[in-house]
Amino acid sequence: DTAVSQTPKYLVTQMGNDKSIKCEQNLGHDTMYWYKQDSKKFLKIMFSYNNKELIINETVPNRFSPKSPDKAHLNLHINSLELGDSAVYFCASSQVQPRTDVAKNIQYFGAGTRLSVL
Amino acid sequence: GIQVEQSPPDLILQEGANSTLRCNFSDSVNNLQWFHQNPWGQLINLFYIPSGTKQNGRLSATTVATERYSLLYISSSQTTDSGVYFCAVSGGSYIPTFGRGTSLIVHP
Repeated sequence: DTAVSQTPKYLVTQMGNDKSIKCEQNLGHDTMYWYKQDSKKFLKIMFSYNNKELIINETVPNRFSPKSPDKAHLNLHINSLELGDSAVYFCASSQVQPRTDVAKNIQYFGAGTRLSVL
Repeated sequence: GIQVEQSPPDLILQEGANSTLRCNFSDSVNNLQWFHQNPWGQLINLFYIPSGTKQNGRLSATTVATERYSLLYISSSQTTDSGVYFCAVSGGSYIPTFGRGTSLIVHP
């Protein structure tokens, strides 16, 4: 009964390919996030969705496109993969929309997807 | 955006030792969380602590919001405490920002 689940756990692919990572949460949360963790373990937010609406969109190449079919799912599609995209991608969810009520905005993370671009 | 600095960057302990990890942030925050990333990469919530003090077993945390810092205390450390400890904050922009972490190794 994993609260935030990501698939796949590992993804190895060639430069130029298109790939997707899926994320699902069963916590009933309204807000979901994608983070990128680089080789030095630095975690940086990429996107956030609240009830299927994009609310945070950091400086990310437009080759990255998040899609939220419903509030329990947030998928990440990456076009034309580059070597520099190699990283661990984490999905997270929280109960509270970040820009409103700040109480209890506790984030829960998935196990991560390790992407290797060759 | 808010700058988050964690110290020390690396820490090596013998089992049973105590330690204090620090998180400084550059502006007022309305959210602050401490996470432990275990050697398998999983990010585990430790504390949600935008202000005040909380304790959970051998771990405790204190945030002094007016002075813009938070401390994580680990007492009687165990080998299973090894990993990276992150502090994450958000302020007026509500964009979560992580520090670069403290890498902890606990030797038996």
